Amino acid sequence: DIQMTQSPSTVSASVGDRVTITCRASQSVRNWLAWFQQTPGKAPKFLIYKASSLESGVPSRFSGSGFGTEFTLTISGLQPDDSGTYYCQQFDDFPWTFGQGTKVEIK
Amino acid sequence: EVQLVESGGGLVEPGGSLRLSCVASGFTYTSYTMNWVRQAPGRGLEWIAYFSGGPGAMSHADSVKGRFSVSRDNAGKSLHLQMNSLRVEDTAVYYCARSYCSDATCYGTFDMWGRGTMVTVSS
Repeated sequence: DIQMTQSPSTVSASVGDRVTITCRASQSVRNWLAWFQQTPGKAPKFLIYKASSLESGVPSRFSGSGFGTEFTLTISGLQPDDSGTYYCQQFDDFPWTFGQGTKVEIK
Repeated sequence: EVQLVESGGGLVEPGGSLRLSCVASGFTYTSYTMNWVRQAPGRGLEWIAYFSGGPGAMSHADSVKGRFSVSRDNAGKSLHLQMNSLRVEDTAVYYCARSYCSDATCYGTFDMWGRGTMVTVSS
């Protein structure tokens, strides 16, 4: 199975800051990577697919980049609603696997 | 409104069985592969099963293979998960999730999720 590793585990930032989360795959997943946001008690929300394509309705302050084994999710101008846990997920190879999550906290 | 609603969770003893259901609305159900994804308390996400919309292909994660069985009823716009021989480590919130599809191709990621149903396996 492809292992997905996210860093950092937790990031604490202020409103308006730029936040970057990294996701590394144990082998190439080309651009078959998605990002999700989850707030406590809620289901994950689909943010980005194919590494950099923004899902409809997701604010443009979210962006994704990367190819192969290294990917980033950037939040440009952190907002209070952006707190939560972010997960990357590969869908290049079966079984589809998720990273362990990065918790974003607002200072 | 596009919606997925799960039901059937609860408390069951180790070795017991449970059947989860998910009812879909607001989209053309037969055009989408449907999935079950679970999340143990305080843990990350784990994909466990899918059932395709068209040809009826299905698959299960190794962690549940031989114990869980996914099925779907297109007429009823529903997805089911029969869970047998349950273990303590199966305790989790179980989400029904729709695959992201584009140009009649569905991919192994998930653009819509239900609110989940909690399964607790404990004696």
